[in-house]
Amino acid sequence: DTEVTQTPKHLVMGMTNKKSLKCEQHMGHRAMYWYKQKAKKPPELMFVYSYEKLSINESVPSRFSPECPNSSLLNLHLHALQPEDSALYLCASSQDKGFEETQYFGPGTRLLVL
Amino acid sequence: DQQVKQNSPSLSVQEGRISILNCDYTNSMFDYFLWYKKYPAEGPTFLISISSIKDKNEDGRFTVFLNKSAKHLSLHIVPSQPGDSAVYFCAASESIQGAQKLVFGQGTRLTINP
Repeated sequence: DTEVTQTPKHLVMGMTNKKSLKCEQHMGHRAMYWYKQKAKKPPELMFVYSYEKLSINESVPSRFSPECPNSSLLNLHLHALQPEDSALYLCASSQDKGFEETQYFGPGTRLLVL
Repeated sequence: DQQVKQNSPSLSVQEGRISILNCDYTNSMFDYFLWYKKYPAEGPTFLISISSIKDKNEDGRFTVFLNKSAKHLSLHIVPSQPGDSAVYFCAASESIQGAQKLVFGQGTRLTINP
């Protein structure tokens, strides 16, 4: 089973709202990732968690706040977003064995900021 | 600076023939390469991967070739089927701060014609 689930599937929010995206995996993976994908562009890495600790932050604005409550869950808290933040947000997970990592992706959350 | 490049935005192939998708990279620190298939509004689905110490990996109809000296890899699909129509992303992996960072190419839209 290589399933990563993400909720919600779609989200519309205003620039003053606070919302959260959720990601879950039950494959025993210890690394989890957030990516952002704009239309007709490739996914771009935002954050990497390894063993529940943030290991990579790709200079993402502070209006995006990741959280890893346990090894199966990954959240992305959103606050005061801009319309240009509208995109498909993808979560992924991998074993975190340190080499030849295959990342498995969820279906994504389509976010629209008005 | 684009470290992973897929120079063909689109490719059209007749059903039953071979599809060849190409990818070039510039960073010699990449040590693992993956191909993902993506449908609109869905997450990327892992297809096949290859370690930098190998030059070929085969899985059913899919074969990936790596030419490390040329920093070039290719995905062969044979025979091509209508269900293979999708966007294909090449991705390269690099170890950073103990975590794996994936860098994606721009994608190639493959259309299989009946």
